[in-house]
Amino acid sequence: GAVVSQHPSRVICKSGTSVKIECRSLDFQATTMFWYRQFPKQSLMLMATSNEGSKATYEQGVEKDKFLINHASLTLSTLTVTSAHPEDSSFYICSARPGFYNEQFFGPGTRLTVL
Amino acid sequence: QKEVEQDPGPLSVPEGAIVSLNCTYSNSAFQYFMWYRQYSRKGPELLMYTYSSGNKEDGRFTAQVDKSSKYISLFIRDSQPSDSATYLCAMSALDSGNTPLVFGKGTRLSVIA
Repeated sequence: GAVVSQHPSRVICKSGTSVKIECRSLDFQATTMFWYRQFPKQSLMLMATSNEGSKATYEQGVEKDKFLINHASLTLSTLTVTSAHPEDSSFYICSARPGFYNEQFFGPGTRLTVL
Repeated sequence: QKEVEQDPGPLSVPEGAIVSLNCTYSNSAFQYFMWYRQYSRKGPELLMYTYSSGNKEDGRFTAQVDKSSKYISLFIRDSQPSDSATYLCAMSALDSGNTPLVFGKGTRLSVIA
């Protein structure tokens, strides 16, 4: 149990385009989902906290208009990187928290490369 | 002082060794403690989950929490090359609601065959 999927696993796009990444909890309902980015050999950096049916809470320094988050259902959250630039190239990972539990379960990550 | 401190390593040990990974924290409200393992280019995987103080064992892994010292440990017995990964500690307070876990920066472990 407690499986989180992400799609796509890898995406290469041209500068200026938008990319949508999906995060799904497959066998539980996630009231809260989190989005992280991770540069090579660096630690996880929290970008935003997403709650079903409400606006996401962004961490300081993360542009909400650039990284659009939608948590439309208890099993799906999406992150859209708008007008992507090469500096947005990174490993994006989502995690989900089931109900009132404290554990977070992570997706396998999405590697974004912007040319 | 950061909320959670974790030595980034790298830590290199021979196969079969006992590995000790540690984190210290400053927030006495933390009650839930987790260890994640992350292989290169993969998402973190939950290894151990403990509540409050004490030990918890799962196969070759033992998680230990000492709340009085604000110190948690993960022990790996009979380490294998497949244990080579980055290990992250994480913690949260009671009734954390939407509050995300607080992570250490991770320790890179290499087990040499």
